[in-house]
Amino acid sequence: DTGVSQDPRHKITKRGQNVTFRCDPISEHNRLYWYRQTLGQGPEFLTYFQNEAQLEKSRLLSDRFSAERPKGSFSTLEIQRTEQGDSAMYLCASSPVRGANVLTFGAGSRLTVL
Amino acid sequence: QKEVEQNSGPLSVPEGAIASLNCTYSDRGSQSFFWYRQYSGKSPELIMSIYSNGDKEDGRFTAQLNKASQYVSLLIRDSQPSDSATYLCAALSGGYNKLIFGAGTRLAVHP
Repeated sequence: DTGVSQDPRHKITKRGQNVTFRCDPISEHNRLYWYRQTLGQGPEFLTYFQNEAQLEKSRLLSDRFSAERPKGSFSTLEIQRTEQGDSAMYLCASSPVRGANVLTFGAGSRLTVL
Repeated sequence: QKEVEQNSGPLSVPEGAIASLNCTYSDRGSQSFFWYRQYSGKSPELIMSIYSNGDKEDGRFTAQLNKASQYVSLLIRDSQPSDSATYLCAALSGGYNKLIFGAGTRLAVHP
């Protein structure tokens, strides 16, 4: 068990481009979360999955953001038509259904939009 | 009003002292609370969880919860320079679906 893996670790893109991040959770964890964190702030909830079902999305998540977890294993977070305000650390976390409160975070994917 | 509030700090304490970190929350439906530590450039890691009123101790760390006052705290005894980090307080939302984080308190322990 190598923990929660995220890829890529860093992404620099130009405004208007699309980007996709991948998260591989701990294998026995059913729940998967995406958070966004900007400098000086705590992680901000974006969305979460239980198995392949996306159960909640933040109102802050615009329609340029989409997340999938097609087979209940890894997840992808896509941002279309990136804006400079999207620059942030995108954190993935997973948890088991029992003890679902305890999140284990990945190392994060840092996005810089020029 | 933010759902989970913390002083941003920095909180500066000398090595060996007790560091006291505080957090308030607004959702009375929250029942579970967590403290995460985040080193600069790294992801958050869980230090402690607390679910019942009172104190919970784990090594040098003590978490305190007062649901009536909607207040959570973390005490770090015998602070070490390696404790220098940002400490994030998190509350499980009343719907039991997600953690809501505060902005974090930056702790600096100086030799």
